[in-house]
Amino acid sequence: QKEVEQNSGPLSVPEGAIASLNCTYSDRGSQSFFWYRQYSGKSPELIMFIYSNGDKEDGRFTAQLNKASQYVSLLIRDSQPSDSATYLCAAEMNRDDKIIFGKGTRLHILP
Amino acid sequence: DGGITQSPKYLFRKEGQNVTLSCEQNLNHDAMYWYRQDPGQGLRLIYYSQIVNDFQKGDIAEGYSVSREKKESFPLTVTSAQKNPTAFYLCATGTANSNQPQHFGDGTRLSIL
Repeated sequence: QKEVEQNSGPLSVPEGAIASLNCTYSDRGSQSFFWYRQYSGKSPELIMFIYSNGDKEDGRFTAQLNKASQYVSLLIRDSQPSDSATYLCAAEMNRDDKIIFGKGTRLHILP
Repeated sequence: DGGITQSPKYLFRKEGQNVTLSCEQNLNHDAMYWYRQDPGQGLRLIYYSQIVNDFQKGDIAEGYSVSREKKESFPLTVTSAQKNPTAFYLCATGTANSNQPQHFGDGTRLSIL
């Protein structure tokens, strides 16, 4: 059973629009969730983390968490070509105290 | 990532050879991790350490070995037993509490000659 699932994409979004990235997780006890951005050939970079149900905003990024439905999402407003990257969702696995990463969603912002 | 240094950036391994990837951090983080990333794949955990002189196997430890003699250093050795070592290797650090995010070094790309 996959523990953190993401649509691999590519997700194509016009410049200036909202990009919506989704992630589901299997461990109902997970409390912490992370979004990383990874440019091609580079290492992942943390962009957001969220612990509580609801929304968390940071600049153009909003993370949304719904623990009842076991999904996390990342919204990117006013998408820019520089947002084109792979976005990795990660969840802390309560049962063994590790962080599990999804395979990532490739996002392509169309100029 | 600032404070986490991986070296070398590129490494080539010959058949039957062991190679060691370096990871050094000055963030004073207790926990250090090694991941492997293959094209189009997520991150798979090889080994992790939450305290000096102690480490645990991750999901794909076979063919790899590590040591944690100092808080700042967590080298990974890819042994000749690892038959498919070509991948992007990422070192990460964090607090011992998995509720906190991990931060990554720039990675080492390993290829077979």
